[in-house]
Amino acid sequence: KAGVTQTPRYLIKTRGQQVTLSCSPISGHRSVSWYQQTPGQGLQFLFEYFSETQRNKGNFPGRFSGRQFSNSRSEMNVSTLELGDSALYLCASSRLMTSGANNEQFFGPGTRLTVL
Amino acid sequence: DQQVKQNSPSLSVQEGRISILNCDYTNSMFDYFLWYKKYPAEGPTFLISISSIKDKNEDGRFTVFLNKSAKHLSLHIVPSQPGDSAVYFCAASATGNQFYFGTGTSLTVIP
Repeated sequence: KAGVTQTPRYLIKTRGQQVTLSCSPISGHRSVSWYQQTPGQGLQFLFEYFSETQRNKGNFPGRFSGRQFSNSRSEMNVSTLELGDSALYLCASSRLMTSGANNEQFFGPGTRLTVL
Repeated sequence: DQQVKQNSPSLSVQEGRISILNCDYTNSMFDYFLWYKKYPAEGPTFLISISSIKDKNEDGRFTVFLNKSAKHLSLHIVPSQPGDSAVYFCAASATGNQFYFGTGTSLTVIP
């Protein structure tokens, strides 16, 4: 079974630009969550999508947005990039919408975004 | 506000000994907890989980303990192996798939 895939793996942008990251979940998984990882901050929850609907949203500005398609693939977009947006962006998928046993999140390798 | 905290950024243990990684949380609504292991340039890999109705869960060399009154959980690895060297994250959820992660503990197992 293929794991969670994220594209691109590395990205370099300049301040003010926008960026779109893509995530393909494990086949059969309908929930996709996005996280930002920065040194010293751990993983910060961005948002979660289930069946094309955003179910949960973390404490990030509106420049961060996402969507999910009918095949469960998800994209996240960051507009007007700032230097502080440089981070590893991780996507995770799970089968169900509720946390609990047998519904662990499986992570992709991440997209490393550098903003210059 | 960090709702899940891992106060030890790093830990070194001799091969064969026990590794104990600790995690504290502040939100009493959390009812599901997980531990992940992360190698550089890879995404976190699920290790073990525990729900709030239990106080212990074992899976091979890994055991997670939950102390709800203290809002504390710990991961025990026995015996520790060099391949266990990685960054370990604890995570907690109150509902749905919104997880709060700690900042991680870097474990080094010395051969």
